[in-house]
Amino acid sequence: DADVTQTPRNRITKTGKRIMLECSQTKGHDRMYWYRQDPGLGLRLIYYSFDVKDINKGEISDGYSVSRQAQAKFSLSLESAIPNQTALYFCATRGADTQYFGPGTRLTVL
Amino acid sequence: AQRVTQPEKLLSVFKGAPVELKCNYSYSGSPELFWYVQYSRQRLQLLLRHISRESIKGFTADLNKGETSFHLKKPFAQEEDSAMYYCALSRGNDMRFGAGTRLTVKP
Repeated sequence: DADVTQTPRNRITKTGKRIMLECSQTKGHDRMYWYRQDPGLGLRLIYYSFDVKDINKGEISDGYSVSRQAQAKFSLSLESAIPNQTALYFCATRGADTQYFGPGTRLTVL
Repeated sequence: AQRVTQPEKLLSVFKGAPVELKCNYSYSGSPELFWYVQYSRQRLQLLLRHISRESIKGFTADLNKGETSFHLKKPFAQEEDSAMYYCALSRGNDMRFGAGTRLTVKP
């Protein structure tokens, strides 16, 4: 679904670096989410936002922060990346019926 | 706390065989349950939700509140069904996923 886009699609970085992952959507949804996907663990919720003034922690928010710059944009930051943050990160929006996912960002922290 | 359990990480069946992907949940309220599918090199997409009680691509899932289960079933598996399947539970605006089951349908 091209209505939810993520940049970059792939990123390799070093321990201690600050990284920002960006998500944009054209679906007009208020609710946006960040997940990480790890083999054997499925998708785990990092943060979610109901609107630009509302940010909520998910299951695994430690080591991450987010910014909702506008209804259409929701960024995820790793202030000081560590190797166990190597994962596939998904952004999603939610409409009345279901969630719509972005293509994912593969992040590798060396 | 809400929790979704998919006990099988891997499931392999032959083409034409029935398939059942298990999902159990724990939640004290009235759950809203979903099945998502992720085909190779594609993004996650909704397969079905319990509220709609529909059949998508031959798959069905029935919510069993007594057993707190929402198993996904298909009577005759096809090779194109090979994918990663996630069960998910929604509580208001929050959505929690199980660990996923990788289904392989062999020819």
